[in-house]
Amino acid sequence: DVKVTQSSRYLVKRTGEKVFLECVQDMDHENMFWYRQDPGLGLRLIYFSYDVKMKEKGDIPEGYSVSREKKERFSLILESASTNQTSMYLCASSFPGASGSPVYNEQFFGPGTRLTVL
Amino acid sequence: DQQVKQNSPSLSVQEGRISILNCDYTNSMFDYFLWYKKYPAEGPTFLISISSIKDKNEDGRFTVFLNKSAKHLSLHIVPSQPGDSAVYFCAASGDDKIIFGKGTRLHILP
Repeated sequence: DVKVTQSSRYLVKRTGEKVFLECVQDMDHENMFWYRQDPGLGLRLIYFSYDVKMKEKGDIPEGYSVSREKKERFSLILESASTNQTSMYLCASSFPGASGSPVYNEQFFGPGTRLTVL
Repeated sequence: DQQVKQNSPSLSVQEGRISILNCDYTNSMFDYFLWYKKYPAEGPTFLISISSIKDKNEDGRFTVFLNKSAKHLSLHIVPSQPGDSAVYFCAASGDDKIIFGKGTRLHILP
């Protein structure tokens, strides 16, 4: 069974703080993803990584950075948290699709971290 | 600019009947489509996918239909069961992009 775990289910931070969200997967997946989910907006891709130390911007990378030093771990960093980053953050992982592209395969999601920035 | 649209925010269906969830996309570069199901306080789980070389894919009670000319896909659930009550997201992939719709909340009525 694939397991994707996220370091916290709930997190409360103050404006301006540096925030780290950690994600670990145990299935040796090459690809890892960070999304945020907001009411009425669905899931939006922030960043993804197709290999260690590799990263690609998603649709909404502004205000975020990522780190992937080990294959199983993908971190999302909010350098200076702002109230508009209050959201549910979801991590996912997957094998590459047949073409090798990171987006052509089912993704396995973690349970999410609900971040509140005050 | 919404590239993947799920125009029905919610849908109520009687238990045992067919649930049909719809999704439209605008970018002709998308060539792989997925449906995910999400319960509250859990991450989405993969349901079914379809490649653009097919027009139908079936897995048990779930069938996805793809109409490329209309840029439209639909998920059929037959028969609907109480455990199907959840939010359903469609996603479209292509050109190293993946875009999710906003989701449709499905209520299965007893």
